[in-house]
Parts: sequence; C-alpha cells; structure tokens
Amino acid sequence: KAGVTQTPRYLIKTRGQQVTLSCSPISGHRSVSWYQQTPGQGLQFLFEYFSETQRNKGNFPGRFSGRQFSNSRSEMNVSTLELGDSALYLCASSLEGGEGYTFGSGTRLTVV
Amino acid sequence: GNSVTQMEGPVTLSEEAFLTINCTYTATGYPSLFWYVQYPGEGLQLLLKATKADDKGSNKGFEATYRKETTSFHLEKGSVQVSDSAVYFCALSPINNAGNMLTFGGGTRLMVKP
Repeated sequence: KAGVTQTPRYLIKTRGQQVTLSCSPISGHRSVSWYQQTPGQGLQFLFEYFSETQRNKGNFPGRFSGRQFSNSRSEMNVSTLELGDSALYLCASSLEGGEGYTFGSGTRLTVV
Repeated sequence: GNSVTQMEGPVTLSEEAFLTINCTYTATGYPSLFWYVQYPGEGLQLLLKATKADDKGSNKGFEATYRKETTSFHLEKGSVQVSDSAVYFCALSPINNAGNMLTFGGGTRLMVKP
C-alpha cells in the first residue's frame, strides 16, 4: 500500500514569495497534519485537517495556511516567505487521529 | 500544556552495546506515547507506541514501557547495530483523541560504531 506522498521533495524560493506544498495521505486516512522541522526549534505542529475541516492549529502566524480536499489530499501554503521559514515540512496521516501516524519524507524548503 | 523531554545527544555506542534513551513527559491525563526514528534525509518512521499505563511497545528489538508513576517512556535495546544510527524522537498525543497533534521531544542522535 502506498505511503504518504509529499511533493515536491525540494524547493528553493526567494524571500517575499509564496509557496504551496502538497501531501497525499495513505488511502482511507482522513486525518492529515503538518509539522515544521528546524534545527533550532525541532518538530513543531502546524495544523491538522480532518474531513476537509481544520481540527487543530499550532502556534504559527497567519502566513501559514492549509486546506484539505474531498479526497483527503492536503496542501499547505506559506505566504510572504521569510528566511526563517527554511525548514523540512512533514506531513502525517492517520485514520482518525490519535492511534498512530504515518509520515511522508517531507519537503525541504529553502528561502534565500 | 503538553511537553516531552529527551536526553540530549549525541549518544555514541559500540556495536552490540545496550541502549537507553530517556524520555519524560508532562500532559493532562494519560496520553498515547510514541517513539519515532528519523534516518538521514528521510521523514519520521513510527518505531513503537503505547496507549495506556504499563503497556510495553516493542519493535525491531526496541522496547519502551509506559510508566505513569514516573511519567516516562524510556527507549531500550539490548544490542545496537550500526544500522540503528539515526535520530530518535519521543512524542505524545493527547488522550482526548480530538485530533492528530503530536508533541515531540527535541530528538536524540544515536551513533553506533562498528
């Protein structure tokens, strides 16, 4: 069975631009969550979507947003990129949430 | 709020040595507890989990027991291999199951030398 697929794997953007990252969860999984991983802050929860609704949100500015489609695929968007947004962005999916999560390989975003 | 504290690394061991990575947590109620492993350039892989007190999670020779009284979930392995070299993350998920929101520890890098 296919795992969690994140695209693209690598991305380089210029400060001030916006970016959209994509995540395709495991078939049948309805919960999709996003995490930011940086050397300084570690792994931090961004938000979670369940059945197209945002169910939880972490402590990130409004420049970070996301959505989930009816097929459970999810996108996250970062507007007005800052250098500090450079990170590995990880997506995780689960059936309902709470029972265990499968992570994708991540998208490495570099802001220059 | 919820928090997870892990021992800082790196932890450097010789092959076949015994491994312990300490993890303690602070949370309301009894959360689910997890250990994830991250190999270089990859995402996180679930290593093991425990959902209630005294549960023991195990996988690939790794074990961890959910200790409510000490709010701990220490990771152990009896004999490490070079291939176990990776970063290990302890994490918790709220008990109310109102969503998919993991709180992670800072990670512990393990280096195993042949």
